[in-house]
Amino acid sequence: DVKVTQSSRYLVKRTGEKVFLECVQDMDHENMFWYRQDPGLGLRLIYFSYDVKMKEKGDIPEGYSVSREKKERFSLILESASTNQTSMYLCASSLGRGGGRGYTFGSGTRLTVV
Amino acid sequence: AQTVTQSQPEMSVQEAETVTLSCTYDTSENNYYLFWYKQPPSRQMILVIRQEAYKQQNATENRFSVNFQKAAKSFSLKISDSQLGDTAMYFCAFMKHGSSGAGSYQLTFGKGTKLSVIP
Repeated sequence: DVKVTQSSRYLVKRTGEKVFLECVQDMDHENMFWYRQDPGLGLRLIYFSYDVKMKEKGDIPEGYSVSREKKERFSLILESASTNQTSMYLCASSLGRGGGRGYTFGSGTRLTVV
Repeated sequence: AQTVTQSQPEMSVQEAETVTLSCTYDTSENNYYLFWYKQPPSRQMILVIRQEAYKQQNATENRFSVNFQKAAKSFSLKISDSQLGDTAMYFCAFMKHGSSGAGSYQLTFGKGTKLSVIP
């Protein structure tokens, strides 16, 4: 069974901390994505990557960065966590170009910044 | 840019009944994909059904079917014989077709419809 694994289900961090959210997929997918999900706002794209070491900004990249050193791993970095970054973070991956098969999602990380 | 609108924030349906969730979208593209995703309370987002815009036939997956109206830019999801396990958030999503630029890979989501199936 294909999988996207997010390293943490729940995280609590302090304001100003540097936070790493890790995502690993075992499907040899080219594309990987980070979304945040907030009630009433749906899913908003933070960053995505369509190849190793490649990254593209999504709709809300401010305050975030990403790293993709290996094909299977895509990390989301909060350089200095703030309370408005408290949210559910979803990682996803997809195969190749065109995207007709849609995404496979991880289980999500609930991040609370205090 | 594409937008996806789900006008029903919450809905409920009696078990075994049929329910339809609405979705409209705005795009200037001619070729694209449309998806419905389900997110149960356990949170893992799973694909329910997909539709390719160039196919006129509506997609069907067991109890789930869509009514795709390309001219009206409408893509509704019908759930027949609703079951308690259908209780979830449902998201409609849009993706451009083709490999022209990295943006082709992005899914644009609606804000979701929370469906409750009542015993």
